[in-house]
Amino acid sequence: NAGVTQTPKFQVLKTGQSMTLQCAQDMNHEYMSWYRQDPGMGLRLIHYSVGAGITDQGEVPNGYNVSRSTTEDFPLRLLSAAPSQTSVYFCASEGLAGGMQFFGPGTRLTVL
Amino acid sequence: DAKTTQPPSMDCAEGRAANLPCNHSTISGNEYVYWYRQIHSQGPQYIIHGLKNNETNEMASLIITEDRKSSTLILPHATLRDTAVYYCIVSLASSGYALNFGKGTSLLVTP
Repeated sequence: NAGVTQTPKFQVLKTGQSMTLQCAQDMNHEYMSWYRQDPGMGLRLIHYSVGAGITDQGEVPNGYNVSRSTTEDFPLRLLSAAPSQTSVYFCASEGLAGGMQFFGPGTRLTVL
Repeated sequence: DAKTTQPPSMDCAEGRAANLPCNHSTISGNEYVYWYRQIHSQGPQYIIHGLKNNETNEMASLIITEDRKSSTLILPHATLRDTAVYYCIVSLASSGYALNFGKGTSLLVTP
């Protein structure tokens, strides 16, 4: 199993550009989440999903959209990138049995 | 979800036990205590979690006080590879799909 994969690993955007961060998991997990981590800080929850077709907002959802059309994929869309969105983005998944989240390697995003 | 308080940093000598404390005085009866760690800039890694009883796995032990207001993560024989930021998280859900991370404890294991 590949676990949780994220693409791209690095991305540089200009202010106002849009893009989609991809996240996929091959463990048939129901739960998936997106976090961001700013330098020297802990992770903050952006959006999460408890199953295909169901999403909800986390602590810092503004400026981001998500959708969950399949169990495997949970893309994160930046509608109009801003320098404040410069961060490292982590995707995670968890099965119904609960108790253990699996994280991807992260996407390092810089917005100029 | 209950908030947690952890020391910002700790040191531990290689081969010794690392005891990482966490206070969660406002924890409710159905909230679990989770521990994760993050090595350098990698994605966080699950370590252990528990509700009331002490737990042990191949990585660590989790000791939860009887009143559940605090807990301690124990790495029995710390190695240099255990140098990481350790996060104590308290969550309502038995499955932690919406975890709220704080700043954690930066553990430095020294030779």
